[in-house]
Amino acid sequence: LAKTTQPISMDSYEGQEVNITCSHNNIATNDYITWYQQFPSQGPRFIIQGYKTKVTNEVASLFIPADRKSSTLSLPRVSLSDTAVYYCLVGDGTFNKFYFGSGTKLNVKP
Amino acid sequence: SAVISQKPSRDICQRGTSLTIQCQVDSQVTMMFWYRQQPGQSLTLIATANQGSEATYESGFVIDKFPISRPNLTFSTLTVSNMSPEDSSIYLCSVEEPISYNEQFFGPGTRLTVL
Repeated sequence: LAKTTQPISMDSYEGQEVNITCSHNNIATNDYITWYQQFPSQGPRFIIQGYKTKVTNEVASLFIPADRKSSTLSLPRVSLSDTAVYYCLVGDGTFNKFYFGSGTKLNVKP
Repeated sequence: SAVISQKPSRDICQRGTSLTIQCQVDSQVTMMFWYRQQPGQSLTLIATANQGSEATYESGFVIDKFPISRPNLTFSTLTVSNMSPEDSSIYLCSVEEPISYNEQFFGPGTRLTVL
C-alpha cells in the first residue's frame, strides 16, 4: 500500500486559501486519493476524492498532477471552523481498507 | 450517507476487565471496520468485519484480544479484553456503503480509559 507524507501542521488566517500537499510516491495505477477531515472528539469525515487532474466540490478542490505522486487539497477562504486534522489516504478500495497517515493539523487564526 | 452510533461514548475501566463497544448503522452495509486512535495520534485499522464471516485482523491485532461480532448488516461489536492502561484510546467504527467507492463513514468513537 502506498505510504503518504504530509506536513505535520499548518497555520492560516481566516479568509485565506489553504493548500495542503500530500506526497504518495508509490501510488499504484488503480489507487484513488481521498482526503478526510477530523475535528476533536469526532470521527473523520470524507471531504473529497480524485484519481487525476482536478476535482471540485462544495467544500474543497483536489489537484493531482499527471504523475499522481502527490496531491494538493485546497480549502478556499478558510474560517475558524476549518481548524481540524486533514488526512490524505491512497488506496484502490480492493480490500476496502484505509490506512491513515499522520495527517496535517490545520490551525486557522482570527 | 450512513448514520452511525456507538455505545458507550466513553468509559473508565479497571485493568484486567473487558469492555464491549457497540456500533449501530441506520442502513444495511456489507463492510464495517474498527479503528483505534490513541491520544494525539492518527487512526490505526484494527480489523474488517463482514457479515457472515470471521473478522480479518491487521498486523498487531489478534482475535483473543479484540474479538469482533457481526451478527447482521447493521450492527457490530468490538470487545477489548483483559485491558491494560495501554489500551486507553478512542475506538471508532466505520462503514462503507454499497454505492460509495473508497468513502467510509465514521462513528463518533468510544473514549476508553483504563486505570
